[in-house]
This record gives sequence, structure tokens and C-alpha cells, in this order.
Amino acid sequence: GAVVSQHPSWVICKSGTSVKIECRSLDFQATTMFWYRQFPKQSLMLMATSNEGSKATYEQGVEKDKFLINHASLTLSTLTVTSAHPEDSSFYICSAWAATNYGYTFGSGTRLTVV
Amino acid sequence: AQSVTQLDSHVSVSEGTPVLLRCNYSSSYSPSLFWYVQHPNKGLQLLLKYTSAATLVKGINGFEAEFKKSETSFHLTKPSAHMSDAAEYFCVVSDHVSGGGADGLTFGKGTHLIIQP
Repeated sequence: GAVVSQHPSWVICKSGTSVKIECRSLDFQATTMFWYRQFPKQSLMLMATSNEGSKATYEQGVEKDKFLINHASLTLSTLTVTSAHPEDSSFYICSAWAATNYGYTFGSGTRLTVV
Repeated sequence: AQSVTQLDSHVSVSEGTPVLLRCNYSSSYSPSLFWYVQHPNKGLQLLLKYTSAATLVKGINGFEAEFKKSETSFHLTKPSAHMSDAAEYFCVVSDHVSGGGADGLTFGKGTHLIIQP
């Protein structure tokens, strides 16, 4: 079945540094990739949608200069949290979508802690 | 615009008894509806999905859900709860136009399922 690999699974970084999270579709080509954020004991909130080769579309209230998304190929999307602050600490989850196997396949998530 | 309401933030049942997790949705188009389960500090696992085919959808691990357009509901049920079912459950809607591309999913706030021994 469709598999999405997300790395790292957890990361701790210092305030002011940048962190990159990778999301790869392993056995299919993802037309669209989504990035979600989940605060403790809360639901997932869509941050942005990216299509291969295009600029990402960000949801209202999400800073595009802070959360840089790159979707360079049909199998890889990256989310870079720039100049991270403690309030950016959260669980980030990617999701890949392909028309050929309609469905949203989720990565296993990345727990980011900014100290 | 689309939205989904999970009517219960917590549900507690005894092992071996039926499970009912309630979900109501609103959608401008013919929606696709999903139930996902999330165990602590883990990613999301798809239980089942409705995409305008049969209204009664069977999923993994004995779960099923019925799409009721007149009630705008998509409740999740299981005849007999297992201890391993204890987790967070999310009802999710996708409001994409038929034949179009993908849209981001809208998640409910989640229902925490507790299984009493």
C-alpha cells in the first residue's frame, strides 16, 4: 500500500535555529502534499498545501516566511521551521495525495521541541 | 466551506460492549468522509472512508460507519470494544469537487475513546 516516510520523528532545537522536516512518498508519486500541525490534546490544523513545482498555498494565519515549504519532486516535500521559538513546539504531520490511489496517506509525524 | 463536529470529546465503554463515536458534518459539495485513529505520539491510521459509493462503509479492526445525508452524520461504530481500541479518533471531511484535485482535510476536534476493563 501507499507509504509516506517522515523524518525526523522527533527533534529538539535551540531557539533561533532552523529545522527541516522531510516527507517522502515511497511507493507512489504524490501530486499534492499537505502539512498539518497538532498541539497537545488538540486536533490537526492544516498549515499549507503544496503541489510539485509550485509555490505552497498557506492557510490564513500561517506565516509563509517562517514555515518554508519546498515540493521539488513528486515524492519529496520539506517543511523548514525558520528561527524557531518555543511556541513553535508542536507535532507536525505531512500527508500525501495521489489521484491514482485516491486517499490521503499520512506520515508518522515529527515532534518538534524548541528550547 | 466544510466543517465537522465530533459530539463527544471523551467516550468511555467497557471492554466487549459496543462503541459509538458521533460525527456531524457540513459541506458545500458531495463530501468525502474519513475516520482516522491516532495512538499516543503516533501518526494517523485510516480506519475507513466514504467517497459516494455505499453508504455503509466497513473499515479495519471491525469498525464501520454509515453516511446519512439527511442527518449529515457519519457515526463510527464497533460491536465489541477491545482494550487496544483505546486511542484518539478523528472524523474528517474533504470538500473537493468531483473529478478535481485534492483539498486539505478538515479535522474534527477528536474523541478520546477509553476502554474500561
